[in-house]
Amino acid sequence: DVKVTQSSRYLVKRTGEKVFLECVQDMDHENMFWYRQDPGLGLRLIYFSYDVKMKEKGDIPEGYSVSREKKERFSLILESASTNQTSMYLCATIDRETQYFGPGTRLLVL
Amino acid sequence: QKEVEQDPGPLSVPEGAIVSLNCTYSNSAFQYFMWYRQYSRKGPELLMYTYSSGNKEDGRFTAQVDKSSKYISLFIRDSQPSDSATYLCAMSVNNYGQNFVFGPGTRLSVLP
Repeated sequence: DVKVTQSSRYLVKRTGEKVFLECVQDMDHENMFWYRQDPGLGLRLIYFSYDVKMKEKGDIPEGYSVSREKKERFSLILESASTNQTSMYLCATIDRETQYFGPGTRLLVL
Repeated sequence: QKEVEQDPGPLSVPEGAIVSLNCTYSNSAFQYFMWYRQYSRKGPELLMYTYSSGNKEDGRFTAQVDKSSKYISLFIRDSQPSDSATYLCAMSVNNYGQNFVFGPGTRLSVLP
């Protein structure tokens, strides 16, 4: 079974704080993804990575950066959190046609 | 017009009912069609995957793709309270994850 874990289930941060969300997968998959999920909007791709140290912008990268130093770990960074970044963040990996998602991190920015 | 449209619900049905969930889309180049189930406070999990047109059946679940109408459906037979979840459709031109487009999801409640 593919396992994708995320470092926190719930986070509360203040505006302007730097926020790190971490994702780890145990299946040696090349590709990893960060999405945010908002009511009525579905999942929107923030960034993805197809290899260590490689990254590509998704549909909504503004205000975010990522880091992939090891194959199994993909981090999402909010350099200066803002209230409009309050959302559910989902990490995913892909094996052939199947995307496997982590449990999500619910982030509240006050 | 959004690329993928899906009625957000909520949809409430009695246990044992047949449930029909649908998505419409605008991009005729989509070839890969997926349905994900997402329980509350969990990440989505893949339920059904279909390539191109046609039907696919897995137990109580049937996925249908009608590319001529740009319409996909998920049918759940003999629905159970454990089917209560949000159902997301997703589609892609190729099966590279970065190109998946997700619908907003339909929230389903199956009442005992």
